[in-house]
Amino acid sequence: QQQVKQSPQSLIVQKGGIPIINCAYENTAFDYFPWYQQFPGKGPALLIAIRPDVSEKKEGRFTISFNKSAKQFSLHIMDSQPGDSATYFCAAYSGAGSYQLTFGKGTKLSVIP
Amino acid sequence: ETGVTQSPTHLIKTRGQQVTLRCSSQSGHNTVSWYQQALGQGPQFIFQYYREEENGRGNFPPRFSGLQFPNYSSELNVNALELDDSALYLCASSSGLEETQYFGPGTRLLVL
Repeated sequence: QQQVKQSPQSLIVQKGGIPIINCAYENTAFDYFPWYQQFPGKGPALLIAIRPDVSEKKEGRFTISFNKSAKQFSLHIMDSQPGDSATYFCAAYSGAGSYQLTFGKGTKLSVIP
Repeated sequence: ETGVTQSPTHLIKTRGQQVTLRCSSQSGHNTVSWYQQALGQGPQFIFQYYREEENGRGNFPPRFSGLQFPNYSSELNVNALELDDSALYLCASSSGLEETQYFGPGTRLLVL
């Protein structure tokens, strides 16, 4: 059972564009939603995270939008650069006992010059 | 501040063998979680260790086991290796039971 659904699977944008990656969840016990960036051969690196009581959070060029009623959240990358080319994972965490991160399947982003 | 480190970086084993992977947590972190990442997939939770005790387990068989040591470093042991165990094994550390987890570079395991 996939508890966090991520789309699209892959995304190609031109430099300066704004790629948007979407995630949806079902478990209302989730209370923390991080995004990770992973380069080939490396471990995931934490980018930005949000809690359900906040509708938007910005850190540098990265913005998370959160819709609690729809159980959806998304990552926007402003002024994307070729160096942003990586795989992005959304995840969800419940502090109510499991203490594990549940990940989406990932989105491979390519930013072309 | 030292980040999460893992060893070895790569490993090749044959089916039926046993393997031990190691993880050193980030300075100040006392919780270690292990994840398996198959090619082209998101990481999947194996188990978590907090204060040297297993604190949660994902949908993995008992041949996946672990340890946490008093210095908070951890081992993941996999017995009777199967071809499907080929994956990137990731260790993540956190402070207590906080939700923010920081990942190491992973160990790439290939089972032939």
